[in-house]
Amino acid sequence: EVQLVESGGGLVQPGGSLKLSCAASGFTFSTYYMTWVRQAPGKGLEWVAQISPDGRATNYVDSLRGRFTISRDNADNSLSLQLNTLRAADTALYYCARHVGRAFDQWGQGTLVTVSS
Amino acid sequence: QSALTQPPSASGSPGQSVTISCTGTSSDVGAHYSVSWYQQHPGKAPKLMLFDVSKRPSGVPDRFSGSKSGNTASLTVSGLQAEDEADYYCTSYAGDSNYVFGTGTKVTVL
Repeated sequence: EVQLVESGGGLVQPGGSLKLSCAASGFTFSTYYMTWVRQAPGKGLEWVAQISPDGRATNYVDSLRGRFTISRDNADNSLSLQLNTLRAADTALYYCARHVGRAFDQWGQGTLVTVSS
Repeated sequence: QSALTQPPSASGSPGQSVTISCTGTSSDVGAHYSVSWYQQHPGKAPKLMLFDVSKRPSGVPDRFSGSKSGNTASLTVSGLQAEDEADYYCTSYAGDSNYVFGTGTKVTVL
C-alpha cells in the first residue's frame, strides 16, 4: 500500500524557519517525481514545488522561489521542504504528493504550519 | 501563474449531472493536454479523479468524465450521488515544470 506521511509542521514566529518531511513507503520512491502542495485554512490548493526522481531538477511557484527549498533522500525514501523567512501568509496545511505523469495520484494527510507571533 | 478559474459552486439533485468548468490561458490549459481533477471532502486529502483531461485512475467511477476545448477544461459528474458532495479542483501543467490549480468548486447534492 502506498503511504505518504508528512511531519514537521508546527507553530513558528514570523521570520522563522521550519523543515517539513514526507516519509514514503509502498512504492519505488526513487523513480517518481514528487511535489508539495499547500492549502491555507478555508482556501484552495496551491502547487508549491516539484523535484525530479534523482533530485537534480527542482522547480517552484514563482512567489516562493528563494524562500522554500525542496529536496529528497532516496536512500531514506523521504522528501523534504525547507521553509525560510516564514510569513503569516505561509500558514497552511502542506501536502506531499506523488506524480503520475503530470498529475498527483497519491497524497499524504498533510502537516499544518502556523506562522504567528 | 494565476489560478485557473472555476465557478465557486455547483449543484444538482441525485441522479442528475453537474458540469464544472476550469478556465485558464493559452499557456496552461490551452497549451497542454495535462489537466487533472481532484475531489476533496472536508478534512481529507485531495483524491485524483481524472488526469490527462479525461483518463480515470483505477477505482474512479465512470460517472466522472472530462473534456477540454481551447483554454477551458470541464469535469462532468453524471448520476450524482450523495458521496459526490465535495470540493473539486482542476490543475494544469503550465510548462517549464510549473503547475497551477483552479480556484475550486463546491459541489452540493440537493
